[in-house]
Amino acid sequence: DVKVTQSSRYLVKRTGEKVFLECVQDMDHENMFWYRQDPGLGLRLIYFSYDVKMKEKGDIPEGYSVSREKKERFSLILESASTNQTSMYLCASSQTPRYRIRGQYFGPGTRLTVT
Amino acid sequence: AQSVAQPEDQVNVAEGNPLTVKCTYSVSGNPYLFWYVQYPNRGLQFLLKYITGDNLVKGSYGFEAEFNKSQTSFHLKKPSALVSDSALYFCAGWGGSQGNLIFGKGTKLSVKP
Repeated sequence: DVKVTQSSRYLVKRTGEKVFLECVQDMDHENMFWYRQDPGLGLRLIYFSYDVKMKEKGDIPEGYSVSREKKERFSLILESASTNQTSMYLCASSQTPRYRIRGQYFGPGTRLTVT
Repeated sequence: AQSVAQPEDQVNVAEGNPLTVKCTYSVSGNPYLFWYVQYPNRGLQFLLKYITGDNLVKGSYGFEAEFNKSQTSFHLKKPSALVSDSALYFCAGWGGSQGNLIFGKGTKLSVKP
């Protein structure tokens, strides 16, 4: 089975802190994604990556950056955390080129609270 | 613009009754459609998908979904609901060309004993 793991299930940070969320997948998938999930808004794509060192902006990239130095690892970075970034963050991975056909595999999520 | 809509924020069903969670889509090209389920404090789990072929798709945990091209719908169904089916359900779709998977806003299913 595909396994996508996220470094923390729960995280509490202070406003202005730099925050790193880590995601690792073990199935050699080319594509990796970061979403945030908020009640009533569903899942919104922040960034995705289709290869090592490659990244593309999603729908809401402002305030975030990403890093993909190794194929299995995709990091989401909040340069200066703000309270409006309090959310559930979900990482996902998928194969390419037929990734959309097979769907995405999700990690358990990180619930980030910024105080 | 491409979109996936889940018109109901919440669906309440009695255990043993049939359930339907609605989804409509608007994508360019032939649609690729998915249903995911999310249990409390967990990530999303894949339930089923429609790519092509039979309009009735069977998935995990006894769920199925019916693809209706004329109504641009992909409703999730189960003949007999269980309390353990209570969760958040997401419909997702892709139009087969450019862009990424588009998710609906989710429907909370509550099954009461």
